[in-house]
Amino acid sequence: DADVTQTPRNRITKTGKRIMLECSQTKGHDRMYWYRQDPGLGLQLIYYSFDVKDINKGEISDGYSVSRQAQAKFSLSLESAIPNQTALYFCATATGSSPSHSNQPQHFGDGTRLSIL
Amino acid sequence: GEDVEQSLFLSVREGDSSVINCTYTDSSSTYLYWYKQEPGAGLQLLTYIFSNMDMKQDQRLTVLLNKKDKHLSLRIADTQTGDSAIYFCAVKDDTDKLIFGTGTRLQVFP
Repeated sequence: DADVTQTPRNRITKTGKRIMLECSQTKGHDRMYWYRQDPGLGLQLIYYSFDVKDINKGEISDGYSVSRQAQAKFSLSLESAIPNQTALYFCATATGSSPSHSNQPQHFGDGTRLSIL
Repeated sequence: GEDVEQSLFLSVREGDSSVINCTYTDSSSTYLYWYKQEPGAGLQLLTYIFSNMDMKQDQRLTVLLNKKDKHLSLRIADTQTGDSAIYFCAVKDDTDKLIFGTGTRLQVFP
């Protein structure tokens, strides 16, 4: 399984602050994803990246930005946090950068619980 | 776009079988997954099935796929208290994104 590490695990901050959530992985996977989880809503895709020079918006990208600093690192930023961004955030990785690899399952980190007051 | 639905709760007695159901809307979906989430943890991949299969069995887990009805199920045999968790169905759409259901919370009682 991919070793996917998210930092911090928990964060409480105030409205208007800039926040960065980090994700790193040690398995050399090309694909990386950021999701948010809200109670009763499942997981919603924020951004995803198929390799270092590739960044794509997911279904709920407004208010978020990402940076793929290296193959192993994918950061999620909230430029000016607002209370409705309070959620559990997950990073995921998958192998393969070509469409023929698209069946490969995603492996998840343990999540970052973010609370915005 | 793809829509994936699951019932929110399931309660079973220890030792019984559990069946968690999922329906989806996009018939072109090619890969379908089941993930398990325990409290305070991320999602753990349990199993997945290709759309050209009807069934896949892996130890206590059996996945059934009915493409005609767009229905996926996960059966857990001999359910244990350690199986208590939230189970997510996820379907890969034609843009290679995973669409998740809302999750089914499985509670196992003695």
